[in-house]
Amino acid sequence: DAMVIQNPRYQVTQFGKPVTLSCSQTLNHNVMYWYQQKSSQAPKLLFHYYDKDFNNEADTPDNFQSRRPNTSFCFLDIRSPGLGDAAMYLCATSRDRGRPNTEAFFGQGTRLTVV
Amino acid sequence: GQNIDQPTEMTATEGAIVQINCTYQTSGFNGLFWYQQHAGEAPTFLSYNVLDGLEEKGRFSSFLSRSKGYSYLLLKELQMKDSASYLCAVMDSNYQLIWGAGTKLIIKP
Repeated sequence: DAMVIQNPRYQVTQFGKPVTLSCSQTLNHNVMYWYQQKSSQAPKLLFHYYDKDFNNEADTPDNFQSRRPNTSFCFLDIRSPGLGDAAMYLCATSRDRGRPNTEAFFGQGTRLTVV
Repeated sequence: GQNIDQPTEMTATEGAIVQINCTYQTSGFNGLFWYQQHAGEAPTFLSYNVLDGLEEKGRFSSFLSRSKGYSYLLLKELQMKDSASYLCAVMDSNYQLIWGAGTKLIIKP
């Protein structure tokens, strides 16, 4: 059974039109992450939540926002998508942070296309 | 700066053995992870090393040398389903994961 679920798997949005990607988890993990991954590149961490504590990476554009209304759900909002935002967006969870051997569990990703 | 280096692409034959290398320079070290990622799919966890030496898990083994900033993933008895990208990631002193760009492994019959 899937433990980290992302919807939709594929999303097409218009240039400049706000879009929201969703992630849910059944693992009851404290930490949820959003990564952006472009073709043949390393995943790039956008931000993460430790419980309700939001942590933004310094180089994450303001165009990207996130919400975590409860333990199970986390959303990625792209306020005005540009062509450069087309990528795979990966949601991941981990039981904790700040500890070694904290394995991350990934969802299947949402591939975003901007037209 | 922090850096993870892996070969971009490797090719191997079904049934053979392949070694994928990873070198790293990071601010501190709290372990090294290997993930497998099939095209268009999410990464899945393969292994974790924090002490020097070889960790074996079935057909896959992972080796770490902290003094050399070096790891490798060894895949034995290659199967076609092993065709994927293999990502090396290091957990730094802030417990943040620093990711490599991945090595695309192509398996030929």
